Amino acid sequence: EPEVTQTPSHQVTQMGQEVILRCVPISNHLYFYWYRQILGQKVEFLVSFYNNEISEKSEIFDDQFSVERPDGSNFTLKIRSTKLEDSAMYFCASSEYRYLVDQPQHFGDGTRLSIL
Amino acid sequence: DAKTTQPTSMDCAEGRAANLPCNHSTISGNEYVYWYRQIHSQGPQYIIHGLKNNETNEMASLIITEDRKSSTLILPHATLRDTAVYYCIVVRDDKIIFGKGTRLHILP
Repeated sequence: EPEVTQTPSHQVTQMGQEVILRCVPISNHLYFYWYRQILGQKVEFLVSFYNNEISEKSEIFDDQFSVERPDGSNFTLKIRSTKLEDSAMYFCASSEYRYLVDQPQHFGDGTRLSIL
Repeated sequence: DAKTTQPTSMDCAEGRAANLPCNHSTISGNEYVYWYRQIHSQGPQYIIHGLKNNETNEMASLIITEDRKSSTLILPHATLRDTAVYYCIVVRDDKIIFGKGTRLHILP
């Protein structure tokens, strides 16, 4: 069964450094998402992306965050200047169509980001 | 999105059916009920979804009441690998709002 893959599985970065998290969505999917989960807390929506544009973003997704689909397969999340509070699991998801109403999102297993 | 209410935790004996309830009394006519689960250290996994009819797939069954104000996820023969947090989510647009879910413990 096709799946969403994320790399690296664990990223350790010094505070203030830039980090890029990578995702390969399922190949025929057109809609892409990032979520994060701080340890012990709920999974939170960050951003949705379609046709090389952000469709929706949460208040968490501030100017320090950006997303990109640099080629036909990868979808990336960049944090420009990391803070301690950015430490979390980051999940990428994809779906074939935009509206979740009758279309599940499929998640990767996440990248654990640790900011020192 | 309509809010959902789930028990914080539940236990189920291995081999028995696990029935996970969810209340969504403010659901509106075009909102689907989705169930996801999150096994420790993994990403959320899609289980099943429905609008008003009961649904079944290889993982589970979803029973939605006629008034659509509540639903039950049924894992017919629970195994230890079904130990996870189960999320009942009502969705109208394309982002998932996760709650705290139900922590299901399968007991050997």
